[in-house]
Amino acid sequence: NAGVTQTPKFRILKIGQSMTLQCAQDMNHNYMYWYRQDPGMGLKLIYYSVGAGITDKGEVPNGYNVSRSTTEDFPLRLELAAPSQTSVYFCASSYSFYEQYFGPGTRLTVT
Amino acid sequence: DAKTTQPNSMESNEEEPVHLPCNHSTISGTDYIHWYRQLPSQGPEYVIHGLTSNVNNRMASLAIAEDRKSSTLILHRATLRDAAVYYCIPLNSGAGSYQLTFGKGTKLSVIP
Repeated sequence: NAGVTQTPKFRILKIGQSMTLQCAQDMNHNYMYWYRQDPGMGLKLIYYSVGAGITDKGEVPNGYNVSRSTTEDFPLRLELAAPSQTSVYFCASSYSFYEQYFGPGTRLTVT
Repeated sequence: DAKTTQPNSMESNEEEPVHLPCNHSTISGTDYIHWYRQLPSQGPEYVIHGLTSNVNNRMASLAIAEDRKSSTLILHRATLRDAAVYYCIPLNSGAGSYQLTFGKGTKLSVIP
């Protein structure tokens, strides 16, 4: 199993540009999550999904959108990138309550 | 959500045991205590979780106080690979989404 994969690993965006961060898991997990981590801080939840077709906002959803058309994929869309969205983005998945598996992260810089 | 208090940083010598404390005095009766760690430049990694009893797995042990207001993660023999930020996270088993709320955690340094 590849686990949770994320692409790209790094990206530099100009202010106002848009992009999609890709996340895929091959463990048939129902639950998927997007977190962001600013320097020296803990992770904050952006969006989550409890199954295909079902998504909901987390703590910091402004400026982002998600979709979940399949069990495996959970892309995160940034519209009109702003410097405040400079961060490391982590995708995670879980079967249930006990253990979340995290991807390696996408390091995004908006200038 | 239950609030947690962890020391900002701790140091340990290699091959010594390490006890990482966490205070969670506002924890509810249905909150499990989860521990994750984050190695440098990596995503978080699950370590262990428990409700009331002490728990052991291949990575660590978790000792939970009888009143559940605090817990301690125990690494039995610290290695250089254990240098990471350790997060203590209460998580309600009845919650529908299982969202993890990360604080700043404890940065563990392991001295060779």
